[in-house]
Amino acid sequence: DMKVTQMPRYLIKRMGENVLLECGQDMSHETMYWYRQDPGLGLQLIYISYDVDSNSEGDIPKGYRVSRKKREHFSLILDSAKTNQTSVYFCASRGDRGSSNERLFFGHGTKLSVL
Amino acid sequence: GDQVEQSPSALSLHEGTGSALRCNFTTTMRAVQWFRKNSRGSLINLFYLASGTKENGRLKSAFDSKERYSTLHIRDAQLEDSGTYFCAAERASGSWQLIFGSGTQLTVMP
Repeated sequence: DMKVTQMPRYLIKRMGENVLLECGQDMSHETMYWYRQDPGLGLQLIYISYDVDSNSEGDIPKGYRVSRKKREHFSLILDSAKTNQTSVYFCASRGDRGSSNERLFFGHGTKLSVL
Repeated sequence: GDQVEQSPSALSLHEGTGSALRCNFTTTMRAVQWFRKNSRGSLINLFYLASGTKENGRLKSAFDSKERYSTLHIRDAQLEDSGTYFCAAERASGSWQLIFGSGTQLTVMP
């Protein structure tokens, strides 16, 4: 069963606190993504990971960092969260290039509120 | 930077009718994917296209890399088709980065 799992689903933090968002996938995909979505905007790419310890900045990496120590897990970390990081965060994984399925699969999202 | 312009931003349809959503790209894209965000907030992958057209039930999508656009056609719309639809285009640079359109909010009315 192809699945991308995000934890937690909802999170409330105070400004300045550290935040850890976790994502797992059971498809052995090499490539994983973190996006955020804000009202009226499409999803904005924060980071992309091509495999373990092979991560690249997306379009809006400032204020975020990521960790990929195992292929099936990709974490998003906010050191000292800011109120403008209140958003819905989506993790995704993607079928390998040249495979029969290059589709993007999303988790259910994590709604983060920074007060 | 690279842009994906999605239109319309909102669309209302009566059950049984149809329409088309469109994404224009400011640069050449390698492939496009279409998603629907359902009432629970989940993003469901509808199509992946590297070229040509694909059809799945009442949905049909087309992608023209040279002309820099993609479309999603919905026919015989049903109430459960309501939701926000996004296109996402992959840069041709080989980076595997996808750029999302801002979405089309579709409401299907009885």
